[in-house]
Amino acid sequence: AQSVTQPDIHITVSEGASLELRCNYSYGATPYLFWYVQSPGQGLQLLLKYFSGDTLVQGIKGFEAEFKRSQSSFNLRKPSVHWSDAAEYFCAVGASNDYKLSFGAGTTVTVRA
Amino acid sequence: KAGVTQTPRYLIKTRGQQVTLSCSPISGHRSVSWYQQTPGQGLQFLFEYFSETQRNKGNFPGRFSGRQFSNSRSEMNVSTLELGDSALYLCASSRGQGTQPQHFGDGTRLSIL
Repeated sequence: AQSVTQPDIHITVSEGASLELRCNYSYGATPYLFWYVQSPGQGLQLLLKYFSGDTLVQGIKGFEAEFKRSQSSFNLRKPSVHWSDAAEYFCAVGASNDYKLSFGAGTTVTVRA
Repeated sequence: KAGVTQTPRYLIKTRGQQVTLSCSPISGHRSVSWYQQTPGQGLQFLFEYFSETQRNKGNFPGRFSGRQFSNSRSEMNVSTLELGDSALYLCASSRGQGTQPQHFGDGTRLSIL
């Protein structure tokens, strides 16, 4: 069964600083990997996805993520954080044959002025 | 293009009652999934439907059930509500082939008194 670990529960960054959120997954085959963001009181918005091919994927809002098979990781990065990036971020893994996503526990990002 | 629509947005029930939540997927999407989000357990998969057939089910008691209609709209039902059922219930839709990116609605916040 697939699983996802997000080691950081909470991260505080200064506006304009870079951000990196960690995600480690456990899955036997090539996983489908996703990052979602959730603002308070709202649903999940898809930031980016990895299915195959280029291991560096670009997403919306200036985010990118890199798939590293050797480290079973899919870390999310943003070069310069804006105050509006304050939210909770979820990494998720899926498989082609079970039609569900398994989510990490999430990382809350606080942006300070 | 309209997103995933969930109704109602908020619901208050008492223990022992039952509740039905509704989800209208993005036009053209035939797969609908349901997730429960709580502070303690995080995001947990409930079930997934495609063309009116349940393809996968999470580890929830039989009090949780769902169905999908021919127009791809879906409902989930929870019977004999317990305090622990208080949660944000999220619906997601996708085209349905493999684990395509799932697009989420804003959820239904269910509170049990």
